[in-house]
Amino acid sequence: DIQMTQSPSSLSASVGDRVTITCRASHSIGTYLNWYQQKPGKAPKLLIYSASTLQSGVPSRFSGSGSGTDFTLTISSLQPEDFATYYCQQSSSLPGTFGQGSKVDI
Amino acid sequence: QVQLQESGPGLVRPSETLSLTCAVSGYSIRSGLYWGWIRQSPGKGLEWIGSTYYAGSTYHNPSLKSRVTISVDASKNQLSLKLSSVTAADTALYYCVTSYSMTTGSWFDPWGQGALVTVSS
Repeated sequence: DIQMTQSPSSLSASVGDRVTITCRASHSIGTYLNWYQQKPGKAPKLLIYSASTLQSGVPSRFSGSGSGTDFTLTISSLQPEDFATYYCQQSSSLPGTFGQGSKVDI
Repeated sequence: QVQLQESGPGLVRPSETLSLTCAVSGYSIRSGLYWGWIRQSPGKGLEWIGSTYYAGSTYHNPSLKSRVTISVDASKNQLSLKLSSVTAADTALYYCVTSYSMTTGSWFDPWGQGALVTVSS
């Protein structure tokens, strides 16, 4: 299985901050990388697919980049509703595996 | 718009079979898409269990394959999961999910709200 490692595991930030989360794959996965947001008590929600394509309805302050083994999720200006846990997931090969999550809180 | 709703017993005894159902609304399960399950636990995080296509193809996580059965009931427009010989390690929040494909480059969207299953005697 391809292992996905996120950093940091948690971070504290303030409204308006620029936040960057990194995801590293144990093998090259091209751009087959998805990002999800999970708020407490809710199911994960797709934010970005194919490394950099925003899902419909996702605010433009979210962006994704990277290819191969190193990927980044950036929130350009953190909003109150963005405090959540973020997961990356590779879809290069089965089983699709997830990172351990990065929690963004105040 | 696809909507998913999981249901099933919240408590299962060790060595027994966990059974969950996912009701699909807003889309016919016959019309395509892959229908699957993902679970989330504090110990293992998010783990894809498996996915199936109405017309036949089924994919499983090798770590669970021998214990997992995923099936579709088109007459009821629902998906089911059976996980046999459960242990405490199978305690998790189980999500029903869809994906347009199970080949390279797909993603899971949407997700159901989740069903908590605890394995305990």
